[in-house]
Amino acid sequence: EAGVAQSPRYKIIEKRQSVAFWCNPISGHATLYWYQQILGQGPKLLIQFQNNGVVDDSQLPKDRFSAERLKGVDSTLKIQPAKLEDSAVYLCASSRDRGGTEAFFGQGTRLTVV
Amino acid sequence: GQQLNQSPQSMFIQEGEDVSMNCTSSSIFNTWLWYKQDPGEGPVLLIALYKAGELTSNGRLTAQFGITRKDSFLNISASIPSDVGIYFCAGPTSGTYKYIFGTGTRLKVLA
Repeated sequence: EAGVAQSPRYKIIEKRQSVAFWCNPISGHATLYWYQQILGQGPKLLIQFQNNGVVDDSQLPKDRFSAERLKGVDSTLKIQPAKLEDSAVYLCASSRDRGGTEAFFGQGTRLTVV
Repeated sequence: GQQLNQSPQSMFIQEGEDVSMNCTSSSIFNTWLWYKQDPGEGPVLLIALYKAGELTSNGRLTAQFGITRKDSFLNISASIPSDVGIYFCAGPTSGTYKYIFGTGTRLKVLA
């Protein structure tokens, strides 16, 4: 079974530029998560999808971050415009369903904003 | 919001020693999961717990679901150098099923 795929692995941009990350979850997994992990901290949930609907986006900075999951499979997370404090690893994860099933993570995208 | 606090924050141990760490919450969890994260990688699931009082092993790792459902424990026996990494507890919150992570325990093993 293929794991969660993310791209790119690394991205360096200047502040005020825009950037997009892509995630392909494990086949058949209904729930998809985007996390932000700042160096030295645990992952912080940004947005959670159930199929193509948003379950929770309470910690997503909606003035600059957006995410979509068209057709309930792949997902993209966009930042526009980026700030220095957005430098972090962005992790995508998926689980078979929500509410207690194990989540599996991709390798993440390390974003550096300069 | 709900938070998961882990202790200790970091630990240095000698190879061969046993390790214990815990995770506490201010609210009840119905599922506890333990993950390990290596540098530059995403977290990898180690153990999942689904029932209060449950004790589950995975090789040298043993985890327990606390009776109060507000805590969980992870033990590593006879540590080896590849145990180095950050260990996170995690779980879905009740109601909204937001999947949140603890603050992490950073483990370093001295050969």
